[in-house]
Amino acid sequence: GAVVSQHPSRVICKSGTSVKIECRSLDFQATTMFWYRQFPKKSLMLMATSNEGSKATYEQGVEKDKFLINHASLTLSTLTVTSAHPEDSSFYICSARVKALGTDTQYFGPGTRLTVL
Amino acid sequence: AQSVAQPEDQVNVAEGNPLTVKCTYSVSGNPYLFWYVQYPNRGLQFLLKYITGDNLVKGSYGFEAEFNKSQTSFHLKKPSALVSDSALYFCAVRDGYGGYQKVTFGIGTKLQVIP
Repeated sequence: GAVVSQHPSRVICKSGTSVKIECRSLDFQATTMFWYRQFPKKSLMLMATSNEGSKATYEQGVEKDKFLINHASLTLSTLTVTSAHPEDSSFYICSARVKALGTDTQYFGPGTRLTVL
Repeated sequence: AQSVAQPEDQVNVAEGNPLTVKCTYSVSGNPYLFWYVQYPNRGLQFLLKYITGDNLVKGSYGFEAEFNKSQTSFHLKKPSALVSDSALYFCAVRDGYGGYQKVTFGIGTKLQVIP
């Protein structure tokens, strides 16, 4: 199946710094990518939908100025956590949507563990 | 406000037996419903979705789910469980009415298939 990578897999940063997470579709083009956050008790939250060449659509309650999303090409979307704080520590997961004849599915990246000290 | 309930934290089933992971939802309009699976050390995967049409939706790995409007349910099923199906399963819903709506996930159900 299609492969989605995320980089870095783990990052530790100091409070107040910004962190960029990359999501790449390795062998296909993705006009739509999604960013999720998974909390310690495993519950998932969709943060935003990223469409290539346009502004991301954020879910209710997600601060768009804090979580900057850029989908600059058909194979790359980035999530930047600006001025990170300990409460931003979480597991961030991206996915890429593949829509073709008869199929409409998502492929997920392996996730990025962010720890803010 | 829309919501999703996965009433069971964990489901145990013997290998070869049929399995059901329950999900009920609440939305204002027509629901878009999804199932995802998170395998240990393998990340999240999309299983299937219901938008419209046939109430029985078939997905990956032999899973299927049935949309039941009267019971507001979207239970995930498989006729014969495999040990490799052991994972964390998430149900999600989006309200299809009135433009773009938030996606809400359930808290997840851990499926344990016993050899």
